[in-house]
Amino acid sequence: AQSVTQLGSHVSVSEGALVLLRCNYSSSVPPYLFWYVQYPNQGLQLLLKYTSAATLVKGINGFEAEFKKSETSFHLTKPSAHMSDAAEYFCAVSEGIAGNKLTFGGGTRVLVKP
Amino acid sequence: EAGVAQSPRYKIIEKRQSVAFWCNPISGHATLYWYQQILGQGPKLLIQFQNNGVVDDSQLPKDRFSAERLKGVDSTLKIQPAKLEDSAVYLCASSLEERAADTQYFGPGTRLTVL
Repeated sequence: AQSVTQLGSHVSVSEGALVLLRCNYSSSVPPYLFWYVQYPNQGLQLLLKYTSAATLVKGINGFEAEFKKSETSFHLTKPSAHMSDAAEYFCAVSEGIAGNKLTFGGGTRVLVKP
Repeated sequence: EAGVAQSPRYKIIEKRQSVAFWCNPISGHATLYWYQQILGQGPKLLIQFQNNGVVDDSQLPKDRFSAERLKGVDSTLKIQPAKLEDSAVYLCASSLEERAADTQYFGPGTRLTVL
């Protein structure tokens, strides 16, 4: 069965500092991996996804993530945080053999300090 | 392109009452999903439809939850009777097909409070 672990339920960063959100997955087959962002009282919006092409994936709003098979990780980074990045971020995994059922991690809430 | 629409946005009911949520997916999307998001947790899939057929409902509490997608477009999710632990945000999502790499697009959700 697939699973996702996000280390740190809350992360606080200063404006302009590096944002690093950690995600580790468990999957019995090569996975597809996703990062979504959720702003207050809104649905989830896709930031980026890994679908077995390039291991470094670039997404919207300056975010990127690197797939590391040996570490079963898919950490999300952004070089310079902006106030508008304050939100909750979810990592998710999908196994191709099971259709596209998404299993989500518990989420990481990002606070950006001025 | 219009996104996934959901209504109502908020609902407050007493326990043991019934409630229904409605979802209209993105036009042309064959696959529709209902997720339950409890406060402080990630979304959990309740049911997945491919057109008007159920693909996965393994985590749907079938003694109280039901869902349908008539004509393969709109969908409704019903809870009867509601329990306190059903308080959550119910998210609807849709994707073009059910391929593993297909992006799921989410609606704004319905926040349910059961008193």
